Amino acid sequence: DAGVIQSPRHEVTEMGQEVTLRCKPISGHDYLFWYRQTMMRGLELLIYFNNNVPIDDSGMPEDRFSAKMPNASFSTLKIQPSEPRDSAVYFCASSLRINTIYFGEGSWLTVV
Amino acid sequence: TQLLEQSPQFLSIQEGENLTVYCNSSSVFSSLQWYRQEPGEGPVLLVTVVTGGEVKKLKRLTFQFGDARKDSSLHITAAQPGDTGLYLCAGPPRGSDMRFGAGTRLTVKP
Repeated sequence: DAGVIQSPRHEVTEMGQEVTLRCKPISGHDYLFWYRQTMMRGLELLIYFNNNVPIDDSGMPEDRFSAKMPNASFSTLKIQPSEPRDSAVYFCASSLRINTIYFGEGSWLTVV
Repeated sequence: TQLLEQSPQFLSIQEGENLTVYCNSSSVFSSLQWYRQEPGEGPVLLVTVVTGGEVKKLKRLTFQFGDARKDSSLHITAAQPGDTGLYLCAGPPRGSDMRFGAGTRLTVKP
């Protein structure tokens, strides 16, 4: 299997612009997670889905963040409008019945 | 406040030394996992512990789950430069939401 695939790998954008991060989970996995990692706050759970349904989005920082999972093989995390404090590494991860969580390589976002 | 508190935050040792890092919580977990993350990559699972008091070994790494299932430790024997990385513990406080500690950043000098 190709593993969890994220795009873009790196993005630099200006404050106020819309950012869309994409994720393709491992085929057959029923859980999908979005995490954000910074030096200050570590690895934070933003939202997770089970069978394409959002289960807990309490970690989403504010209304500027939204996530969708239209089907079992695709998810997006959108930030609109982006702010410099959103700069971080965003990880998508998937798992089968909350066993091993497999992470993508991350999307490195810089908002200037 | 982190649900899972890891200590120490940073650790720098010489090759060949032993070390222990800790993961503590006031909550009971059905299981805890340990991951290692290398620069520029996502975390990779090392082990899952499920039973209170359980000890698992992975080559030079020994993982222990506390009897009360609130804490865990990772002991590395004769550390090598290849062990360098960020060690994260994680657990599902409500069954399916996997939460991570802030991690211990280990550097092993040759």
